[in-house]
Amino acid sequence: DQQVKQNSPSLSVQEGRISILNCDYTNSMFDYFLWYKKYPAEGPTFLISISSIKDKNEDGRFTVFLNKSAKHLSLHIVPSQPGDSAVYFCAASVLGGYSNNAGNMLTFGGGTRLMVKP
Amino acid sequence: DVKVTQSSRYLVKRTGEKVFLECVQDMDHENMFWYRQDPGLGLRLIYFSYDVKMKEKGDIPEGYSVSREKKERFSLILESASTNQTSMYLCASSLQRVRPDTQYFGPGTRLTVL
Repeated sequence: DQQVKQNSPSLSVQEGRISILNCDYTNSMFDYFLWYKKYPAEGPTFLISISSIKDKNEDGRFTVFLNKSAKHLSLHIVPSQPGDSAVYFCAASVLGGYSNNAGNMLTFGGGTRLMVKP
Repeated sequence: DVKVTQSSRYLVKRTGEKVFLECVQDMDHENMFWYRQDPGLGLRLIYFSYDVKMKEKGDIPEGYSVSREKKERFSLILESASTNQTSMYLCASSLQRVRPDTQYFGPGTRLTVL
């Protein structure tokens, strides 16, 4: 069973409006979360991250919100631009001690394809 | 800038063939990863390596093996390719050993097994 889920496979938004991408997780041990963006024929690139000690992290047009009690995070893009059209993956991890390599491992969601229309 | 390169963008193999996918990173990263990407399933970790000659199984290691003889190179091996291994394969690397640092991805290899 997938521990990280993105229930919307696609999302279409008008340019200039807000895009909201959602992600749910089931493993309560996850305490570090990341969003990646992927264009066709390219590898994913890191977008923004948040640790569980925060509930919000902002970087320019991108903001990630974390609701630990609901095991839910979301990525907000404001304003959306046509160049934001891509597949977005959320990912989660567990911080480990030095002898525990689990901290290196990321669990990804299935992805959401965002289309921003001009 | 970190660069992760993969030996092939597209590969077509026949069932039963041995397949090697090569990945090289140029930033002296400790960690290297192999994922496969399938529609609706996102990226699933096959194997990762946190040091030369060290490896750990990911979520779906069956049917795959890996080799890391040098720090910059991480190889994924399909001993006997099967049609259900048709997929996009992505290699990644990251700097720190313990923190879930950002991973830097290569462009991917689309493998088709006939």
